[in-house]
Amino acid sequence: DAGVTQSPTHLIKTRGQHVTLRCSPISGHKSVSWYQQVLGQGPQFIFQYYEKEERGRGNFPDRFSARQFPNYSSELNVNALLLGDSALYLCASSDMIAGGATQYFGPGTRLLVL
Amino acid sequence: GESVGLHLPTLSVQEGDNSIINCAYSNSASDYFIWYKQESGKGPQFIIDIRSNMDKRQGQRVTVLLNKTVKHLSLQIAATQPGDSAVYFCAENRPNQGGKLIFGQGTELSVKP
Repeated sequence: DAGVTQSPTHLIKTRGQHVTLRCSPISGHKSVSWYQQVLGQGPQFIFQYYEKEERGRGNFPDRFSARQFPNYSSELNVNALLLGDSALYLCASSDMIAGGATQYFGPGTRLLVL
Repeated sequence: GESVGLHLPTLSVQEGDNSIINCAYSNSASDYFIWYKQESGKGPQFIIDIRSNMDKRQGQRVTVLLNKTVKHLSLQIAATQPGDSAVYFCAENRPNQGGKLIFGQGTELSVKP
């Protein structure tokens, strides 16, 4: 079975541009979460979606937005990119949103903002 | 507080020895903890989890111990192999916050042949 997939794998943008990152969860999983991982640190929670609704949001500005589609895939959008947005963006899927649902991560999209 | 921290940023062990990676958490209400392994250029890989109603859980070559009294958990890797070299994160799951994971900074494990 395929795990969590993300695209693209790498991306280079300039300040002020916007970016869209994509994620496909494990088959059968209905919840997708997004995390930002800056080099040398642990991942930071951005969003969680379940059944196409936002169920949690981390401490990120409104430039960050996301959505989940009927097939449970998801997009993360970042507008007005800043240099500090350079990071590895990780998507994780789980089969439910209830407490203790294991989250499985994809390989990430590495974003570089110049 | 909202933090999950690791005691040591780096750990170097000899191949074949046992490894112990420690983690402290601050929220006594947390009820689910996960250990992830992250190799360079890859996403975190699930290793093992434990719920707060347990003190110990074993997997293949790995054991997680949870001490709720001092809010501490550890990951033990038996007979460490070069393929175990990676950064290890403990993460705390808080269902009342949408199920988000709170990660620590990570411990880099280096296995010497």
